[in-house]
Amino acid sequence: GAGVSQSPSNKVTEKGKDVELRCDPISGHTALYWYRQSLGQGLEFLIYFQGNSAPDKSGLPSDRFSAERTGGSVSTLTIQRTQQEDSAVYLCACRNTDTQYFGPGTRLTVL
Amino acid sequence: AQSVTQLGSHVSVSEGALVLLRCNYSSSVPPYLFWYVQYPNQGLQLLLKYTSAATLVKGINGFEAEFKKSETSFHLTKPSAHMSDAAEYFCAVSPNFGNEKLTFGTGTRLTIIP
Repeated sequence: GAGVSQSPSNKVTEKGKDVELRCDPISGHTALYWYRQSLGQGLEFLIYFQGNSAPDKSGLPSDRFSAERTGGSVSTLTIQRTQQEDSAVYLCACRNTDTQYFGPGTRLTVL
Repeated sequence: AQSVTQLGSHVSVSEGALVLLRCNYSSSVPPYLFWYVQYPNQGLQLLLKYTSAATLVKGINGFEAEFKKSETSFHLTKPSAHMSDAAEYFCAVSPNFGNEKLTFGTGTRLTIIP
């Protein structure tokens, strides 16, 4: 496709369950980012992948959060033992030269 | 560390009036600055960017922004507001050639009054 896609668009889960969020970046964009958008915190950086380098995980809020990027393309953000404060919109972005292009996000609701 | 401050979490303007959304940045290095727009239930869309070329940057939908180093500002303007401009606008900063994470402002929700 022409843009960044994310799935699912909405996810409702129960507290304590694990969730996986997927991001399909634009083909050829080597940098990939995850951000979180929540009412109380605004837009926060979570993690950044660049090619084969070790990812920048400095924004991950706890060790319940992890992400991987397979084959330099698709990325999965995993949240283990979800908590209510994890409820947010999770945005994926990829970069070409100096511009980040964002996907539509996954809205996560933890009950 | 870098940061951006957006003054005014909510701005209302009449249709046809000037739109001015304020953004001030703090950076120890020459920054790269961006404005993104988010329409309801959609992702972020790039409006325009400053990457140390021309200080007056023109973007999509008639928006433009001027980088003023002396004022550490990057305010977003549009001469005549349209109803379709109603959205949330985010200013963001990156420390160098886009390969670092963006630091976002808290956003400004723009309402257009008919």
